[in-house]
Amino acid sequence: DAGVIQSPRHEVTEMGQEVTLRCKPISGHDYLFWYRQTMMRGLELLIYFNNNVPIDDSGMPEDRFSAKMPNASFSTLKIQPSEPRDSAVYFCASIRGNTEAFFGQGTRLTVV
Amino acid sequence: KQEVTQIPAALSVPEGENLVLNCSFTDSAIYNLQWFRQDPGKGLTSLLLIQSSQREQTSGRLNASLDKSSGRSTLYIAASQPGDSATYLCAVIGSGGGADGLTFGKGTHLIIQP
Repeated sequence: DAGVIQSPRHEVTEMGQEVTLRCKPISGHDYLFWYRQTMMRGLELLIYFNNNVPIDDSGMPEDRFSAKMPNASFSTLKIQPSEPRDSAVYFCASIRGNTEAFFGQGTRLTVV
Repeated sequence: KQEVTQIPAALSVPEGENLVLNCSFTDSAIYNLQWFRQDPGKGLTSLLLIQSSQREQTSGRLNASLDKSSGRSTLYIAASQPGDSATYLCAVIGSGGGADGLTFGKGTHLIIQP
């Protein structure tokens, strides 16, 4: 398996624009997590899915953030409208059951 | 709510030394604990996973121990090398397994001086 795949790797956008981050989890994994990493706050859990169903989105900072998982092999995290304080690295991770978690390479988002 | 603390926040040692990184967590009802490595600008690479029923795991020069009752884990790196320079992160999964998600510490930034 190619591991967890995220796209794009880098995204630069202007304030107010919509941003969509994409994630392909490892095949067979039933949990998918979205994290945000900043220098100040470290890694923060935004939302996670179990079998494509959102379980806990309490970490989503604002209504501007939304996430979907239309099928077992694809998830998106959308920010609309984006703001400079959303600049961070966004990671996707997947797990099968209670085993080892695997992370993607992340998307570095810069909002100017 | 689970909280994970890593000490020290930063560490710089000469090459060849053995070193210990510490991780503590507030809720001992965990399912497993995982150590990751993160290089600058990169993603997280899994190093070791310790199930709650285990006391330690070893991979090469790395040894991770877990004392669930006291809420502590250590990562031991033997004969450190400059290539070991990275940020090391500890994460726990609660007793609900994947349903509890991973809670991370803020990491230990390690520099191995040649």
